Amino acid sequence: GEDVEQSLFLSVREGDSSVINCTYTDSSSTYLYWYKQEPGAGLQLLTYIFSNMDMKQDQRLTVLLNKKDKHLSLRIADTQTGDSAIYFCAESHQGGKLIFGQGTELSVKP
Amino acid sequence: DTAVSQTPKYLVTQMGNDKSIKCEQNLGHDTMYWYKQDSKKFLKIMFSYNNKELIINETVPNRFSPKSPDKAHLNLHINSLELGDSAVYFCASSLDPRDNEQFFGPGTRLTVL
Repeated sequence: GEDVEQSLFLSVREGDSSVINCTYTDSSSTYLYWYKQEPGAGLQLLTYIFSNMDMKQDQRLTVLLNKKDKHLSLRIADTQTGDSAIYFCAESHQGGKLIFGQGTELSVKP
Repeated sequence: DTAVSQTPKYLVTQMGNDKSIKCEQNLGHDTMYWYKQDSKKFLKIMFSYNNKELIINETVPNRFSPKSPDKAHLNLHINSLELGDSAVYFCASSLDPRDNEQFFGPGTRLTVL
């Protein structure tokens, strides 16, 4: 089936690390994605990971993939107030179809 | 030099009306998409076109009709609008269907009264 799940809210203090978790169902997904949506804006691709990788690091962002458990996480180091947004994970399906999670609203307190 | 643009940004209309939302991309991409985001922020694909041909058509009422006059445009026409159609509609594009890096437009907030 098509089901991507995320927790709905996360609150952290500025300077702390944030970890946003996601579980997915389709083990044949080639890529898994993290998108960011700021208030009133469209989605912006943050990073993605190929399904044969375990980890990808991109500046403050670290993506971990556990294929056995179908678990994906996004770690944001040194979280800033500008990181406050909704974060969506997504799995890829044939034909360019993306299945999104419900989104995790990250709130960063000063 | 906006990559994916949509018009209008806001659309308020009465039930039963027919309305259109336009989308244009200047990225030279072959594939375009329409997504619907409901009030709980849940985002779901509706349609996808590749080179003006429909390749994804999710379970969407036939009141929704996408039209792609050329590769750079994918418009969404909605007939007989219902209250449940109120949502934010996002257009997106990618190089081709195998390239999942999709670029999103800013969204059109549709409110049906």
